[in-house]
Amino acid sequence: NAGVTQTPKFQVLKTGQSMTLQCAQDMNHEYMSWYRQDPGMGLRLIHYSVGAGITDQGEVPNGYNVSRSTTEDFPLRLLSAAPSQTSVYFCASSYSIGTGGVNEQYFGPGTRLTVT
Amino acid sequence: AQTVTQSQPEMSVQEAETVTLSCTYDTSESDYYLFWYKQPPSRQMILVIRQEAYKQQNATENRFSVNFQKAAKSFSLKISDSQLGDAAMYFCAYRTSGTYKYIFGTGTRLKVLA
Repeated sequence: NAGVTQTPKFQVLKTGQSMTLQCAQDMNHEYMSWYRQDPGMGLRLIHYSVGAGITDQGEVPNGYNVSRSTTEDFPLRLLSAAPSQTSVYFCASSYSIGTGGVNEQYFGPGTRLTVT
Repeated sequence: AQTVTQSQPEMSVQEAETVTLSCTYDTSESDYYLFWYKQPPSRQMILVIRQEAYKQQNATENRFSVNFQKAAKSFSLKISDSQLGDAAMYFCAYRTSGTYKYIFGTGTRLKVLA
């Protein structure tokens, strides 16, 4: 298994450009999520999905769109990039073991995005 | 809303010594999970240890153990016999049972001195 993969690893955008960060997992996990990591702020949840066709907002959703058409893929779209979106982005996935179960998140390697 | 606080931005420990990283959290829920993640310079997030709130026994994984104080809402990580490879950022995280929203602390950078 490749686990959780993210592309690209690095990206530089100009203000106003749009782009899609790709995330894929081959573990048949139901849950997928996107985080951004900024210095001194830990990881903050942007959007998450509990299954194909179902997405919801996290803590910092503004400026980002997601969709989940398949179990494997969960792309993150930046509609009009801003310097405030300069960050490291992590995708994660997790399996469901029913209510009350402990299930760890598997993280991708991250994408470092710089918006100038 | 739940919060996770890591009050130590940076810690240092001598190789082979023991170090404790602090984490406090705030929640009104009674059923939840707590996690410690390690992020080495490679940037990869690695699960170190996890604790179910309903379990009174503290979790242990080899050299890593936690001190879970539910009433005090405290979840500290103890690393014994520290090794150079333990140098990393450590994040404390919380998740309410039945939800998928994880809340992370701001992290503690651990330096291991040879």
